[in-house]
Amino acid sequence: DGGITQSPKYLFRKEGQNVTLSCEQNLNHDAMYWYRQDPGQGLRLIYYSQIVNDFQKGDIAEGYSVSREKKESFPLTVTSAQKNPTAFYLCASSKGFGETQYFGPGTRLLVL
Amino acid sequence: EDQVTQSPEALRLQEGESSSLNCSYTVSGLRGLFWYRQDPGKGPEFLFTLYSAGEEKEKERLKATLTKKESFLHITAPKPEDSATYLCAVQARRDDKIIFGKGTRLHILP
Repeated sequence: DGGITQSPKYLFRKEGQNVTLSCEQNLNHDAMYWYRQDPGQGLRLIYYSQIVNDFQKGDIAEGYSVSREKKESFPLTVTSAQKNPTAFYLCASSKGFGETQYFGPGTRLLVL
Repeated sequence: EDQVTQSPEALRLQEGESSSLNCSYTVSGLRGLFWYRQDPGKGPEFLFTLYSAGEEKEKERLKATLTKKESFLHITAPKPEDSATYLCAVQARRDDKIIFGKGTRLHILP
């Protein structure tokens, strides 16, 4: 059963702490993406990767970092430099960059 | 500047009352327009991709259409389970990046 999984569903961050959100896909897609969703706003692109071992900044990359060591995995780290991290984070993948994107179930990040 | 505007922000309909959601866009060369459905607390679910003006696609009670400046998502005889936020996104030919609108929250009353 192919799809995209994200974990955890909920994540709590303390002040000054880095946290990592997991995203895995078994669709054999080359491109993967991270978006942030805030109430009343459209999805905003954080980072994207067109292929393994390569990634580019999106529109709001400050305070975030990513890696793409495997085709299936694209973890997102929210660093302590991100001063307003509370949001719903969505991972997506597509067969090729610019093709139809399919989304995971999301991770909600809350600050303690 | 590339832009996507969805209207209305929210819409309440009675079950069976057909209506349309609008997605207006400004983009320098459209490669594709996407419609997604998003339930509360979940990731968006892909519905349709439209590529050229005049194109139409249907799925159950939903029908998406595209012109050179906007797209409509028509909902025929909706049911309560159609209640969700519907997202529109456009892809620019220039750089293949996708821009999302803020969505329309649809609520179907039984």
